[in-house]
Amino acid sequence: GAVVSQHPSRVICKSGTSVKIECRSLDFQATTMFWYRQFPKQSLMLMATSNEGSKATYEQGVEKDKFLINHASLTLSTLTVTSAHPEDSSFYICSARVQNGANTEAFFGQGTRLTVV
Amino acid sequence: DAKTTQPNSMESNEEEPVHLPCNHSTISGTDYIHWYRQLPSQGPEYVIHGLTSNVNNRMASLAIAEDRKSSTLILHRATLRDAAVYYCILREYSGGGADGLTFGKGTHLIIQP
Repeated sequence: GAVVSQHPSRVICKSGTSVKIECRSLDFQATTMFWYRQFPKQSLMLMATSNEGSKATYEQGVEKDKFLINHASLTLSTLTVTSAHPEDSSFYICSARVQNGANTEAFFGQGTRLTVV
Repeated sequence: DAKTTQPNSMESNEEEPVHLPCNHSTISGTDYIHWYRQLPSQGPEYVIHGLTSNVNNRMASLAIAEDRKSSTLILHRATLRDAAVYYCILREYSGGGADGLTFGKGTHLIIQP
């Protein structure tokens, strides 16, 4: 199957700093990528949809100025958590679909564990 | 996306079959049934999906009720590596793949050696 690679897998940062997470589709092109967040013992929650060459679409309650998304190419989307605070500590996961329809499988990155201290 | 209901957890023994149920009584005619699983500290991975007919692949089988209001994911011979949270998700066919997935709480599958 297709591969989605996320980097870094784990990051610890100080409160008030910014952290960038990369999501790459390694062997396919992805017009659309998705960013999820998962708190401990909870399910994944969709944060935003990243569209190549245009602005991301954010889910209700997700601050677009805090979670900056850039999808500059068909194989790379980045999520920057700006001015991170301890409550932003979470497991961030990206996803992409091969471009041939809604009911193909989604491929997920391995996730990024963010800890803000 | 329509709602699905799954048991919070299930337990099975290694090398035995596992049947994971999912209820989706409000499923529409154009909803596909997808299953994903998430191993500890990893992103989810695709398992299987189907519309009306039963489906088989190398990982599992999907049995879909005739009225499509429920489905069962079947792991034919569970191993310790199958211990994960299994998510049953309905996806409306939109032709574009432009929507993210809506994850419920899933079923935490525990495999005993």
